Amino acid sequence: KQEVTQIPAALSVPEGENLVLNCSFTDSAIYNLQWFRQDPGKGLTSLLLIQSSQREQTSGRLNASLDKSSGRSTLYIAASQPGDSATYLCASLGGGGKLIFGQGTELSVKP
Amino acid sequence: GAGVSQSPSNKVTEKGKDVELRCDPISGHTALYWYRQRLGQGLEFLIYFQGNSAPDKSGLPSDRFSAERTGESVSTLTIQRTQQEDSAVYLCASSLVIISGVSPLHFGNGTRLTVT
Repeated sequence: KQEVTQIPAALSVPEGENLVLNCSFTDSAIYNLQWFRQDPGKGLTSLLLIQSSQREQTSGRLNASLDKSSGRSTLYIAASQPGDSATYLCASLGGGGKLIFGQGTELSVKP
Repeated sequence: GAGVSQSPSNKVTEKGKDVELRCDPISGHTALYWYRQRLGQGLEFLIYFQGNSAPDKSGLPSDRFSAERTGESVSTLTIQRTQQEDSAVYLCASSLVIISGVSPLHFGNGTRLTVT
């Protein structure tokens, strides 16, 4: 059974800092690893998708990496801004089509 | 284009009543997921559809929960004899395909269910 874990559960940083969010998964037989953002009271917004054959994906100030052998993914946010404050979730898509989520990292970027 | 639409956005119901939640996926998306998110907790997988078929129903919490999808489009999640522990936000998501692993999920804004 796939288990996805995110560390830390919460993170507070001053504006402008670079930061890394961590995601680990127990079953490396995945199709992809996705990162989402969730704002309070809202649904989830897809940020980045890394296919199992890829090592990383970049979008603007965001860079996500994937290491299947170690069961890890990281989301790097450069030059953080207050607007980046949200909960960030990673999810792995495995056999059978199940997309399993971590518990999320609640990020707060202070002006 | 239109995103994933869920209705109602909010539902308050009395314990013991049945409720039906609706999800309209993005047109052409063959995969559809239902998740539950309790207050302060992560997303709990309930069920997914590939076309109109649900290959894996093991995430449904009890036999009071059922879901169907028709026309490879709209899906309904039905909860019978609601209990207070059913109170949560129910999120629906769709994607173009599943198995290729190339299609991201698009989420609706959810239905907030409160059972009193």
